[in-house]
Amino acid sequence: NAGVTQTPKFRILKIGQSMTLQCTQDMNHNYMYWYRQDPGMGLKLIYYSVGAGITDKGEVPNGYNVSRSTTEDFPLRLELAAPSQTSVYFCASSYSPTSGGNEQFFGPGTRLTVL
Amino acid sequence: QQPVQSPQAVILREGEDAVINCSSSKALYSVHWYRQKHGEAPVFLMILLKGGEQKGHDKISASFNEKKQQSSLYLTASQLSYSGTYFCGTVMDTGRRALTFGSGTRLQVQP
Repeated sequence: NAGVTQTPKFRILKIGQSMTLQCTQDMNHNYMYWYRQDPGMGLKLIYYSVGAGITDKGEVPNGYNVSRSTTEDFPLRLELAAPSQTSVYFCASSYSPTSGGNEQFFGPGTRLTVL
Repeated sequence: QQPVQSPQAVILREGEDAVINCSSSKALYSVHWYRQKHGEAPVFLMILLKGGEQKGHDKISASFNEKKQQSSLYLTASQLSYSGTYFCGTVMDTGRRALTFGSGTRLQVQP
């Protein structure tokens, strides 16, 4: 199993550009999450999904969009990139709700810089 | 509601012990501990559910005091491999059952 994979690993965007961060998991997990981590800080939840076709906002959803058409994929879309979106983005998944005592498995992250 | 971690940073010599605390002002359902090495993804350590249980594996253990809404992570006889940033994540007892991470405790173990 590859676990959780993310592409790209690094990306530099200009202000106003758009891009999609890809996330795929091969563990048949229902729950998937997107976090951002600013330098020296903890992780903040952007969006999460409890299954295909179902998504919900996290703490910091503004400027982002998600979709979940399959169990495996959970792409994150950035529209009109801003310098404040410079961060490391982590995708994670869990078999059942984290609230039920289930660990989250993290991908390797995407380092995004907006100039 | 973001949990508060303390200390923010700690430096140890190999073999020394450390305690990292995580506290919340709200009632918690569970506390999760992760370790992140520089430039890498967070890695799961353990979960503690409300009920005041204590868990551990090898020389890393944790407790959850439900009355105080506080969890502590204990690292005994620290090894160089323990270096990294430790994050607690909390799930509230009411409302959205999503994980909220603290700002982390940076641990450096020196030879």
